[in-house]
Amino acid sequence: EVQLVESGGALVQPGGSLRLSCAASGFTFSNYWMTWVRQAPGRGLEWVASIKQDGGGTYYVDSVKGRFTISRDNTKNSLYLQMNSLRGEDTAVYYCARRPDYISHPNWFDPWGQGTLVTVSS
Amino acid sequence: EVVLTQSPATLSLSPGERATLSCRASQSVSNYLAWYQQKPGQAPRLLIYDASNRATGIPARFSGSGSGTDFTLTISSLEPEDFAVYFCQHRSSWPLTFGGGTKVENK
Repeated sequence: EVQLVESGGALVQPGGSLRLSCAASGFTFSNYWMTWVRQAPGRGLEWVASIKQDGGGTYYVDSVKGRFTISRDNTKNSLYLQMNSLRGEDTAVYYCARRPDYISHPNWFDPWGQGTLVTVSS
Repeated sequence: EVVLTQSPATLSLSPGERATLSCRASQSVSNYLAWYQQKPGQAPRLLIYDASNRATGIPARFSGSGSGTDFTLTISSLEPEDFAVYFCQHRSSWPLTFGGGTKVENK
């Protein structure tokens, strides 16, 4: 069974840092692009970042460029999101996701993890 | 950046009724559009990809149509489990973006 389990969410002060993790199981992790999507409380979905299978290509939404870094460790079947200089508007549930097995393009998402909550507040 | 505008924001319908949800793109996204369903406290679930292809396991009452800038998600006859929020998403260019969502509520 494919599983994506996020962790690392917490309450952090503005300007602080946090590292999120996504543990993958049930599939060959190194074969898939991986993506982070976030959802502010009561709001819609926002794509945050994506990374190619070998980590050689990364893509970010403008609002996090220079502050967030997506990375992966294929030997540990894990995806990461290093978040620096956090702001109140970064408060959200952060989901990791990948494409379905039956779709070749990496930018449709299913399954998703259950999400981890990041709260940026003093 | 492609802006996706969903309408209406809320749709109040009864079980058995037909639901028609709209997603309009600020520029052409060809057929590179998907629809997701999200229930409270849950992660989104892919319903439709490439505008009209049903994801695996999605019931036939869900259908998608459109191309270019105008897209529609239709639920032919609402079941109790279909009351949820629906989001559209494009993949035509970076950044990927989502629409603001349509809540389908039980009237």
